[in-house]
This record gives sequence, C-alpha cells and structure tokens, in this order.
Amino acid sequence: AQTVTQSQPEMSVQEAETVTLSCTYDTSESDYYLFWYKQPPSRQMILVIRQEAYKQQNATENRFSVNFQKAAKSFSLKISDSQLGDAAMYFCAYRSRDKLVFGAGTILRVKS
Amino acid sequence: GAGVSQSPSNKVTEKGKDVELRCDPISGHTALYWYRQSLGQGLEFLIYFQGNSAPDKSGLPSDRFSAERTGGSVSTLTIQRTQQEDSAVYLCASSPRSGYSSYEQYFGPGTRLTVT
Repeated sequence: AQTVTQSQPEMSVQEAETVTLSCTYDTSESDYYLFWYKQPPSRQMILVIRQEAYKQQNATENRFSVNFQKAAKSFSLKISDSQLGDAAMYFCAYRSRDKLVFGAGTILRVKS
Repeated sequence: GAGVSQSPSNKVTEKGKDVELRCDPISGHTALYWYRQSLGQGLEFLIYFQGNSAPDKSGLPSDRFSAERTGGSVSTLTIQRTQQEDSAVYLCASSPRSGYSSYEQYFGPGTRLTVT
C-alpha cells in the first residue's frame, strides 16, 4: 500500500522569507501523481501544485515550487516570499489511478 | 461555475442516531470521492464512485457506513448508529474522470459531524 509521510508537524516562517515543507512517499508503481494541498481554517482544500511522476522537470506555480526526487521518493514544497495568507495546513498527497493518499499535514505559521 | 457543495455544514447528533451527509459534485464530473478528516489529522479515503461502475468501498471503516450516488450525480453518505469516534469532518471531492491522468480532485467545504 502507498504511504505518504510528512515529518514536520509544524513550521514557522517570517513574512517574505522562504520555507520548505518535506514529504516522502512509498510506492511500487511507476505512474503516479503528487500534489500539495492547502487547507486554511475555512476547511476548503485548495490545490497548490501538482507533479506528474514521468516529468523530470520540477513543477512551479508562481511563489510555489517543488523539489521532486523520484529515486528518493521525496516531494518537498518550497514557498518563496511567504505571505500572511500562506498560513494554513499543508497536505502532501499521492495518487496513482484513483483515490488520494494524504500525509498527516504540516501546519505553517507565518510571522509578521 | 459552481463548485462542490456539501450539506449540512455542521451536524450535531446523539450517539446511536443515524445521519445522512449530502454531496453535490461539479456538473459533468464522473468521479466522486468521500474522505474523512479526524481532528488534527490527514484525510482518510472512504469510498469512490466512477460513472456506472461498482463503487470502491475499501476505505469504509465499518458496516455502519454506506454511500450511494443517484443518477451519477448527488451522493449521500449514511452513518448508522453513530459513535463518538465518528466525529470528524467529512469531505467530498469530484473529478472530471479518474484513471492515469493529472486531473485534480475538487473538494467541497466539508461537513463537520459531532457525535455527543
């Protein structure tokens, strides 16, 4: 069975600084997709960024980028120029064919 | 367009009662998923519907949990004889399709269930 591990229960970052959230996963499959979701206090899950495993190039969405290391089964999220609105719970998720498998989440606090 | 909607937003029920949670997916989305998020934890898969295929019920924690999807659209998650450990946020998501694609799952705002 696939598993996703987020080893950082909580992280803090100063506004305008950069922070990296860690994620590792375990799978025997070759075709899969990785996602980072953001969940603010409103409970609404928002997709931040996605990565197809067959793509070597790391995905980037504005201030958000990933470091995808397929051999190491690592998928970290880097947030640059952190903003107060980035404060939320962040979930790393894996999907092959259908259902998402989530990590336990990392609470990100942004200090002004 | 309209996103995934769920009702009720919050539900408080007494232990032993049955509850029904509703999900309206995005129009045209063929795949529908239910997840459970217990306090301070990640999301746990419950059940998945894809078109007219038999649902994947592998994540349902007990036979007190069931779900149906009528007409390939609205879905109802039913919990019978609720227990305090059923207290959680129940999230529904839909997707244009499933399979090996990068289509994202769009989530609803969830139903917070509290069993007293």
